[in-house]
Amino acid sequence: DAGVTQSPTHLIKTRGQQVTLRCSPKSGHDTVSWYQQALGQGPQFIFQYYEEEERQRGNFPDRFSGHQFPNYSSELNVNALLLGDSALYLCASSLVQGSTDTQYFGPGTRLTVL
Amino acid sequence: AQTVTQSQPEMSVQEAETVTLSCTYDTSESDYYLFWYKQPPSRQMILVIRQEAYKQQNATENRFSVNFQKAAKSFSLKISDSQLGDAAMYFCALTPFGNEKLTFGTGTRLTIIP
Repeated sequence: DAGVTQSPTHLIKTRGQQVTLRCSPKSGHDTVSWYQQALGQGPQFIFQYYEEEERQRGNFPDRFSGHQFPNYSSELNVNALLLGDSALYLCASSLVQGSTDTQYFGPGTRLTVL
Repeated sequence: AQTVTQSQPEMSVQEAETVTLSCTYDTSESDYYLFWYKQPPSRQMILVIRQEAYKQQNATENRFSVNFQKAAKSFSLKISDSQLGDAAMYFCALTPFGNEKLTFGTGTRLTIIP
């Protein structure tokens, strides 16, 4: 049973650039959530996708956008990168009709903005 | 809105001993789930234990158990027979019923002393 996978593992960008991060959910899951985890902090919710639509969004600017594909995989896009966007980006998958509301996490993508 | 508070930034325990990590939360929801996740240096967020708020019985998973006090909005994690592999950041998290966003605490770094 494949777990949640994310790519790439690490990424280095410069200010003003754009970045795309990718996530494949756990087998059988239909919902993908994205979180940003700054160094020494707990993860902060960015948004959640279900049925290719943004279902809920956290307090992040419009520079953060996403997409979900018919196979339930997802992308996170960040435009006009700022130094403060440097963080670990975590993807989590779940089953919206599941009875436990449990999200399972991928290994994360470490983004460094120079 | 939900908040999760972990008041112990760091804890340490002797190998084979028992340790308890504290968590308090606030939510206006009547139905919700509480979780403890473990994040080792490898960065992957791993589910440790889950508690449904409507269940009075405290959840247990092998050496891990919780003390859930709904009226006090308290959700502590007890680790028995601590092992070196338990060393990690531990995050308490909350989600309303319906698979919405996870709200995390700031984490407790657990060190195991051989």
